[in-house]
Amino acid sequence: GQQLNQSPQSMFIQEGEDVSMNCTSSSIFNTWLWYKQDPGEGPVLLIALYKAGELTSNGRLTAQFGITRKDSFLNISASIPSDVGIYFCAGQNTGNQFYFGTGTSLTVIP
Amino acid sequence: DAGITQSPRHKVTETGTPVTLRCHQTENHRYMYWYRQDPGHGLRLIHYSYGVKDTDKGEVSDGYSVSRSKTEDFLLTLESATSSQTSVYFCAISESPGSGYGYTFGSGTRLTVV
Repeated sequence: GQQLNQSPQSMFIQEGEDVSMNCTSSSIFNTWLWYKQDPGEGPVLLIALYKAGELTSNGRLTAQFGITRKDSFLNISASIPSDVGIYFCAGQNTGNQFYFGTGTSLTVIP
Repeated sequence: DAGITQSPRHKVTETGTPVTLRCHQTENHRYMYWYRQDPGHGLRLIHYSYGVKDTDKGEVSDGYSVSRSKTEDFLLTLESATSSQTSVYFCAISESPGSGYGYTFGSGTRLTVV
């Protein structure tokens, strides 16, 4: 299967700080997605990216589709306690499935 | 609420016993997926379905089988559970994965094999 590497694996930050995480692949993707998983729940879609270089925002979240099409980035500004969770990237090429990263666990300290 | 439910939410079973997990959707989506989530591995695809009675294997399909007799139900069966199948299992649905819209996930089933 495709290998998607997310970094960092975990983050511990103070409330109000900005957060940056990224996802890299050995293959080119046509679509990148970012999901958030709250404890005890399934992942929920945050942002979808469809074009190399695309920059898309959703409130305090901003994601970018890397120009090489092998990476994507997610930034969270002014973090709040409810940002706690695991963030997953997912990429799709020409097939019928998405491949998921290993996740970045975010802890926000009030 | 995307109309996808998984049952049971939690299950403890003994090694060697058969186990069936159920995913039910009310969205009439064509595609359904079963993933397992393990620390350090993220989400890995077990099996998926692209229509009634149409299924295919994912990257970690050994030891699992699936069935889809109706659009709304996708069953995952562990024929003889092993401790390595202790995991959290997620069902996902998609109207059209090729369009890049992504998946909607259920809340998961936590399975423990003792």
